[in-house]
Formats: sequence, structure tokens, C-alpha cells
Amino acid sequence: NAGVTQTPKFQVLKTGQSMTLQCAQDMNHNSMYWYRQDPGMGLRLIYYSASEGTTDKGEVPNGYNVSRLNKREFSLRLESAAPSQTSVYFCASSEANWGRSNQPQHFGDGTRLSIL
Amino acid sequence: AQSVAQPEDQVNVAEGNPLTVKCTYSVSGNPYLFWYVQYPNRGLQFLLKYITGDNLVKGSYGFEAEFNKSQTSFHLKKPSALVSDSALYFCAVRDMKAGANNLFFGTGTRLTVIP
Repeated sequence: NAGVTQTPKFQVLKTGQSMTLQCAQDMNHNSMYWYRQDPGMGLRLIYYSASEGTTDKGEVPNGYNVSRLNKREFSLRLESAAPSQTSVYFCASSEANWGRSNQPQHFGDGTRLSIL
Repeated sequence: AQSVAQPEDQVNVAEGNPLTVKCTYSVSGNPYLFWYVQYPNRGLQFLLKYITGDNLVKGSYGFEAEFNKSQTSFHLKKPSALVSDSALYFCAVRDMKAGANNLFFGTGTRLTVIP
């Protein structure tokens, strides 16, 4: 049981380059999330998808776009990378039916992204 | 608006001693609270949650947390620390926005258990 799988694990970009971070979950979860983790700031929500076919902005969406490709996959795209987007990016998933909306989130192991 | 605070960036404890990692929260309405642990180069792992019911919640790896409504706290505890408990711990509160299951995380507390 793989859980949440993120690719790639590491990436170095130059300013202005574009890139898509991939995420897939095999737990049949409805909801998926993208976070960034920066030192001293905890995790901040970038975008989320409450269910297949929907996406919404989180706390720090600027400079990012997302696609909920199907129930399993949720990708994060940086159209024009900036040094401020150097971070560790985590994807997560959870059940989120109305009656079960307190289920924990399950996290991937992250993508470490450096932008020069 | 909801928020969560972890007042200690770093907690050191001797192996075998009890440990406490502190968390306070601010929410409108009933709080849904979570603790996660992060080991180096890994994602966050769920430890325990408080939704309703008993104020003392038991979770994975011998951890427990005490919900205190009057003090708006949800401190993580363990009676006897292990070196393997050394990690980064995050407290989180659920975003009550309808239709979502979003979490707001604290800034994390690094626990070091000294042999």
C-alpha cells in the first residue's frame, strides 16, 4: 500500500522555468491538498481539491496552479518559478465526505524544490 | 478565523522522562484538533485527534493529548520518552469552512530526546 506518492523527490530549477509536481494516492480519498513547508513557518496550504472536479485556493496560492486530473491524481504547477518558491512541497489526501470530515490527512514524503 | 500556536521551537528531554509538547488554539465553534509527527526527509504522520468526548485522547506510539477547553490547549504528552521519539511535531486545527477538511498547522516543535 503506497499511500501518497510524490514525484520528483528533488528538483533544481532556474528562475522563470516551469515545472509540474505530481501527486497520486491509492486510498480512494475524495480530498487532496498541496502544502509548502518553510523553516519556522510550519505548513501552509497552497491549493486543495475537496472532491474530484473541484479545486480551491488555500492560504498561499499566488504563483501556482493545480489540476485534479482524476480521483487519484492532483498536480501542482509552477508557471514561472521564482526563488521565493524554494521550499519543500507536500501533497496530502483525506476522506472528506460530509459526515466523515474529521478524518486525518495522509502525507507524501515531499518534493524538495530549489530555484536559483 | 482559526489558528494554532506552538510556543516552544525546541524541547529537550532525557530518555525515560515524561515529555510535553505544548499547543494552544483559537477557533470559533467546536475545535477539531490534531497532532502530527515528522521524521527527517519524510512527510507528516498522524498521531492522534480530538473531535469530541473524553478530554484525554490516546494515539500512536504511546502518545496522548489532553484537551483543555478553558485554557484552549491541546498538549501532547508521553509518560516515558524514547530516543526514537526525536522528531518535529505539529499541532493542527481544522478549518471549519464547509465542504473541506483543511488544516491550519502550527509552526512545529522539535523534540530531542537525550540518551
